[in-house]
Amino acid sequence: GAVVSQHPSWVICKSGTSVKIECRSLDFQATTMFWYRQFPKQSLMLMATSNEGSKATYEQGVEKDKFLINHASLTLSTLTVTSAHPEDSSFYICSARGSGGIYEQYFGPGTRLTVT
Amino acid sequence: GQNIDQPTEMTATEGAIVQINCTYQTSGFNGLFWYQQHAGEAPTFLSYNVLDGLEEKGRFSSFLSRSKGYSYLLLKELQMKDSASYLCAAMDSNYQLIWGAGTKLIIKP
Repeated sequence: GAVVSQHPSWVICKSGTSVKIECRSLDFQATTMFWYRQFPKQSLMLMATSNEGSKATYEQGVEKDKFLINHASLTLSTLTVTSAHPEDSSFYICSARGSGGIYEQYFGPGTRLTVT
Repeated sequence: GQNIDQPTEMTATEGAIVQINCTYQTSGFNGLFWYQQHAGEAPTFLSYNVLDGLEEKGRFSSFLSRSKGYSYLLLKELQMKDSASYLCAAMDSNYQLIWGAGTKLIIKP
């Protein structure tokens, strides 16, 4: 089956620093990748959608200058949280979708970010 | 607007059957997904329905009625490991998933 990896699986950083999270599709080409954020006991919140080689489309209320998304290849997307603050602490999950099939999204294992 | 409704929480007994309902309203429709999410983990795919009817996959089945904007996930022979959140998501005309808030399923011995 399709496998998506995320790195790191967890990270602790200090307020004001930047953190980069990588999302890779290991055995298929991901034409579209999605970035979600999930706070405890809440559902997934879509942050942005990115297509390979083009700019990401951000959901309303998500600051594009704070959450930088790069989808440079068909197997890699990165999310950089810039100038992180404690309220950015959350579970960040990426998912990837190929070009065919039933448009299923394959999820990465998630990255737990804690900003101190 | 687009909306997905599912119960917040359900409780069932080990070995029993439980049905988790989901109603949806989307701009266009390209299918209904069910995902399972254990606490602290990412969602995993369970099922996809785009035509009316019941799709059976082992202990899990999923049903869709497009005319009613309704789906359910049926879990049989419940096991303790089935304790998780179950997410319903409908795909709209732009192939974007509209997510429900999830149903937390608690299994009791």
